[in-house]
Amino acid sequence: GQNIDQPTEMTATEGAIVQINCTYQTSGFNGLFWYQQHAGEAPTFLSYNVLDGLEEKGRFSSFLSRSKGYSYLLLKELQMKDSASYLCAALDSGNTPLVFGKGTRLSVIA
Amino acid sequence: EAEVAQSPRYKITEKSQAVAFWCDPISGHATLYWYRQILGQGPELLVQFQDESVVDDSQLPKDRFSAERLKGVDSTLKIQPAELGDSAMYLCASSSGETQYFGPGTRLLVL
Repeated sequence: GQNIDQPTEMTATEGAIVQINCTYQTSGFNGLFWYQQHAGEAPTFLSYNVLDGLEEKGRFSSFLSRSKGYSYLLLKELQMKDSASYLCAALDSGNTPLVFGKGTRLSVIA
Repeated sequence: EAEVAQSPRYKITEKSQAVAFWCDPISGHATLYWYRQILGQGPELLVQFQDESVVDDSQLPKDRFSAERLKGVDSTLKIQPAELGDSAMYLCASSSGETQYFGPGTRLLVL
């Protein structure tokens, strides 16, 4: 079957670093996505990993270990506007639908 | 920057009524997806199109839901009759490769 697990909620302080973990089980694998979703809005694309390792994009970085079925999203220098849900999603193969986790609701506090 | 367009943004209807949502994907994107997202959950696929053809509608409740993409560009998702449990955000996404880009969504409330 297909299963994506990520923590339900996290809280972090403005200016700090937070790591959101995700484990996945899919029948096939063609990449791991992270999306940011503010309340009441659509998901916006953050990152795509298909090879093992760390991809850095500004304050956000994403890591993938295919052998462990594990990924994390790292957010540095947290800002209040980073308060949102972060969705981990796996792509089974080619142009197939994404399988989403339930999302991690991140609250950034002063 | 090209975006996926959806309308309406919000829809309130009474149960047993019919509702329709529209999506215009990013120009040139052959693949179009309709997802449903219940509050506190991740999006779940309803239907996937490749050009005008349905690729996957295994999770679409076909007794009340229908979707079409007649010319392989924009798409319509219909619910008839709507039920209370259909209250959710309906998201359209499109892709030309691996990355899917989402529209702003239609938030449906069924009373």
